[in-house]
Amino acid sequence: DQQVKQNSPSLSVQEGRISILNCDYTNSMFDYFLWYKKYPAEGPTFLISISSIKDKNEDGRFTVFLNKSAKHLSLHIVPSQPGDSAVYFCAAINGNTGKLIFGQGTTLQVKP
Amino acid sequence: DGGITQSPKYLFRKEGQNVTLSCEQNLNHDAMYWYRQDPGQGLRLIYYSQIVNDFQKGDIAEGYSVSREKKESFPLTVTSAQKNPTAFYLCASSLSGQGIGETQYFGPGTRLLVL
Repeated sequence: DQQVKQNSPSLSVQEGRISILNCDYTNSMFDYFLWYKKYPAEGPTFLISISSIKDKNEDGRFTVFLNKSAKHLSLHIVPSQPGDSAVYFCAAINGNTGKLIFGQGTTLQVKP
Repeated sequence: DGGITQSPKYLFRKEGQNVTLSCEQNLNHDAMYWYRQDPGQGLRLIYYSQIVNDFQKGDIAEGYSVSREKKESFPLTVTSAQKNPTAFYLCASSLSGQGIGETQYFGPGTRLLVL
């Protein structure tokens, strides 16, 4: 039972345009959400996070939006750069257990 | 400079053999974690430890064992009981493992292959 879902396995975007990565979750006990970025043969690195009491968090070119009623969050990258090409994992923390649950990941390719 | 190291980068296991993956951190973090990544799946939690000499099973602990004798080290043993060990294994650590919203920091990973 996948509690955190990234339904798009891959996304291709032109350099300079916006990249939008989506994530859906099913457990209403999730109260903190994170995005991780992963290059091949490397461990994930933390990118940006958002608490459930907010609906937006921005850090430079990266913005995360949270829609609690829809149990949906998205990561926007503007403008996209070739160096952004990586696998992006959405993750959620269960407020009861403190466990971090990951989505399947979305591979982003930014074309020059 | 601080960080998490995992070794080896690639590991080959023969049928019926136990192998141990190393994870070391010098971030002074209390909590450490082991995840497994398979193609098309998110990271799944194998074991975690919030303090020395204590650890808990994650979602897929069967066929694995861990120890936490030192704060800096959290080795993972893939036993012969793990029937499908081929995967990318990631170690992570966080400050305390108890704070909501606590960021986990990951090592570079070990790819385990069965011969």
